[in-house]
Amino acid sequence: KNEVEQSPQNLTAQEGEFITINCSYSVGISALHWLQQHPGGGIVSLFMLSSGKKKHGRLIATINIQEKHSSLHITASHPRDSAVYICAVSSGGGADGLTFGKGTHLIIQP
Amino acid sequence: EAQVTQNPRYLITVTGKKLTVTCSQNMNHEYMSWYRQDPGLGLRQIYYSMNVEVTDKGDVPEGYKVSRKEKRNFPLILESPSPNQTSLYFCASSFLSSGSYGYTFGSGTRLTVV
Repeated sequence: KNEVEQSPQNLTAQEGEFITINCSYSVGISALHWLQQHPGGGIVSLFMLSSGKKKHGRLIATINIQEKHSSLHITASHPRDSAVYICAVSSGGGADGLTFGKGTHLIIQP
Repeated sequence: EAQVTQNPRYLITVTGKKLTVTCSQNMNHEYMSWYRQDPGLGLRQIYYSMNVEVTDKGDVPEGYKVSRKEKRNFPLILESPSPNQTSLYFCASSFLSSGSYGYTFGSGTRLTVV
């Protein structure tokens, strides 16, 4: 069973700062997912990665398969980025579902 | 609009009273799954279904049942709810993209069992 570790658990930063959230996993995967959950809200899929790097607006996700590590970066952070960011991995194509990290609670102060 | 719809959003019930949380998707996805989210434990998979009439247990299936009689619907059934099933529940449907499954989640159902 894959173990997924995220760091930090909590992060408070000032508006405009560059944010990095890290995720490591223990067993080889078919894909890694970054999810966003706003307070009281549903879960939104931000990225699905199997290699390399993806960018969407101010969000960048990278993965290093050899090191079993991924990072989520937020450039020019804004208070609306405040949310819980969750890393999840799928194995065997993902047909058996996701294994989740416990999430990183991000607060961006104006 | 492509979406996963869960109902109800909020539910308070009493111990032992059977309930069903519905989940429906309009994207013709084959794969659907249920998760519960608890403070300190994060998200954990309850059940998943790879297609109609094909279901399997996830990590925490005890006390839950599911059915997949048609592709779009995947209800979660609690036949005799107990307080330890108080949780936030999410349904998801998945699509195959470049060899891996991408996920779309419902808005969640907050269940309280008293």
